[in-house]
Amino acid sequence: KQEVTQIPAALSVPEGENLVLNCSFTDSAIYNLQWFRQDPGKGLTSLLLIQSSQREQTSGRLNASLDKSSGRSTLYIAASQPGDSATYLCAASGGGNKLTFGTGTQLKVEL
Amino acid sequence: GAVVSQHPSWVICKSGTSVKIECRSLDFQATTMFWYRQFPKQSLMLMATSNEGSKATYEQGVEKDKFLINHASLTLSTLTVTSAHPEDSSFYICSASPRQDNQPQHFGDGTRLSIL
Repeated sequence: KQEVTQIPAALSVPEGENLVLNCSFTDSAIYNLQWFRQDPGKGLTSLLLIQSSQREQTSGRLNASLDKSSGRSTLYIAASQPGDSATYLCAASGGGNKLTFGTGTQLKVEL
Repeated sequence: GAVVSQHPSWVICKSGTSVKIECRSLDFQATTMFWYRQFPKQSLMLMATSNEGSKATYEQGVEKDKFLINHASLTLSTLTVTSAHPEDSSFYICSASPRQDNQPQHFGDGTRLSIL
């Protein structure tokens, strides 16, 4: 059974700082790995999707990497802004397009 | 981009009533829809996978008679929480996937269910 863990559970940084969020998964037989953002009381916004054959994906200030062999993915956020404050979730996609979500990292970017 | 609409966004009702939540894919055909539940400060847990025209597949520990799922068309799936009790209070989120396998899922905005 796939298990996905995210570290740290919570993170507070000053505006402008670069930061890294970590995601680890136990079963390397995944089709893809996705990173999502969730604002309080809201649904999910997809940020980046990395196919199992890819090593990384970039979108604006976000860069996500994937190392299947070690069961790890990272989300790098450059020049953080207060608007980046949210909970970030990673999810590993297995058979049948089922997603197993991580525990989330609650990010706060302070002025 | 792909849009999934979920309705209602918030519902409060008395214990014992049944509540229906709708999930619609607005600009694509969704062969598969997924229903998740999220308790406060916790991650999303998959409840069931809904395939158009067939019975839903429920995850272990999810009562199929409690959570009725109907996926009658390629753009609509419904989740009915039957005889709801306070312990069913949670945030329910649906997602929809286009016909092709392993394509990104698109999520609704969720439904906050509070049972008094």
